[in-house]
Amino acid sequence: QITLRESGPTLLKPTQTLTLTCTFSGFSLSTNGVGVGWIRQPPGEALEWLGFIFWDGDTRYNPSLKTTLTITKDTTKNLVLLTKTNVDPVDTATYYCAHGDERGGYSLDSWGQGTLVTVSS
Amino acid sequence: SYELTQPLSVSVALGQTARITCEGNNIGSKNVHWYQQKPGQAPVMVVYRSSNRPSGIPERFSGSNSGNPATLTISRVHPGDEADYYCQVWDSIIVFGGGTKLTVL
Repeated sequence: QITLRESGPTLLKPTQTLTLTCTFSGFSLSTNGVGVGWIRQPPGEALEWLGFIFWDGDTRYNPSLKTTLTITKDTTKNLVLLTKTNVDPVDTATYYCAHGDERGGYSLDSWGQGTLVTVSS
Repeated sequence: SYELTQPLSVSVALGQTARITCEGNNIGSKNVHWYQQKPGQAPVMVVYRSSNRPSGIPERFSGSNSGNPATLTISRVHPGDEADYYCQVWDSIIVFGGGTKLTVL
């Protein structure tokens, strides 16, 4: 059974750096074809994909946010980190991490419960 | 960049069939995935690779992608099917549609 859980700060001030941790179990991020994605959802709005990290360390980012995002992984600890620099109130959202697999066409078959991050001065 | 277009809302009578569409350039050549999201909950995948159902998803949920648009079909709609539905493809990056709110009348 695959499980994921997001953790990190709930309140940030503008210009600060957000770091979120996705802790997972039920799969290995060193297995060929496996990856973890980050998605966010501002209150009352649609899902927005942020980025994805593959088993081999390759990363892909939303082009509109690419300059502010970094995704890294620690395979031995089963965790993935999302870092976003220079946050703004528009970054207020629930942030999700999710498991993706090449066999599933990089669908996101398992999601964490999400963590609400508020950016306010 | 690749874009997916969904209707903002779809309404369907209780017990009838709901069809939610997802349009994109040459979408028939892509694997389309669908997610259901109820208020306050994380999204749940209901269809992957256009027409496959994950374990635990009722047979009432089905997908097709023989051309533009791709479609999620929900048969014999229940009140519990009221939710937002999102389509998604892989185009070297992940792309989501804007979401469709399904209302059961």
